[in-house]
Amino acid sequence: EDKVVQSPLSLVVHEGDTVTLNCSYEVTNFRSLLWYKQEKKAPTFLFMLTSSGIEKKSGRLSSILDKKELFSILNITATQTGDSAVYLCAVPTSGTYKYIFGTGTRLKVLA
Amino acid sequence: DVKVTQSSRYLVKRTGEKVFLECVQDMDHENMFWYRQDPGLGLRLIYFSYDVKMKEKGDIPEGYSVSREKKERFSLILESASTNQTSMYLCASSLINTDTQYFGPGTRLTVL
Repeated sequence: EDKVVQSPLSLVVHEGDTVTLNCSYEVTNFRSLLWYKQEKKAPTFLFMLTSSGIEKKSGRLSSILDKKELFSILNITATQTGDSAVYLCAVPTSGTYKYIFGTGTRLKVLA
Repeated sequence: DVKVTQSSRYLVKRTGEKVFLECVQDMDHENMFWYRQDPGLGLRLIYFSYDVKMKEKGDIPEGYSVSREKKERFSLILESASTNQTSMYLCASSLINTDTQYFGPGTRLTVL
């Protein structure tokens, strides 16, 4: 059965800390993995990863995929209170555009 | 910018009522999706549509139906609302042959 597991479930850090969020997956015919950020509203797209070892970067956020070990990490450096959110990982299922979502990691950044 | 809008941010209904949730996207996307999001369960797919008048069941279609009469609009219908349908409902859309979905702001539905 296809599945996506995120860890940790929640995390509390102080501003300036660096955090690493994990997403592991088991999906038949894997083709991509996506990261979203959800504050008190719609999930907003962060990254889509398709190739192993190629880092995607946007400001203080970066992400990388390991297709051999079947996981991805999302790094946030120099965290700010505005990074407080739920971070979701999603993987499309084989042959469709349906996602399997992880349950998310809730990040709280304290001032 | 892709814009996905949903008809209501908050909705309160009574058990047994028929409920319509509407979603509109302005980017000519072929695919549209309805999810519900519950604490501890994450986002679960209810229905999706890849073309006008086409629909496919997701993981939890029971108690729901959908309608897509125009490309930009995808409606979720609760024929007879029940308390266990109290949830956050999210609509999303994507271009055909792409994996990136764009989400609407969500409708928080409470069924009393």
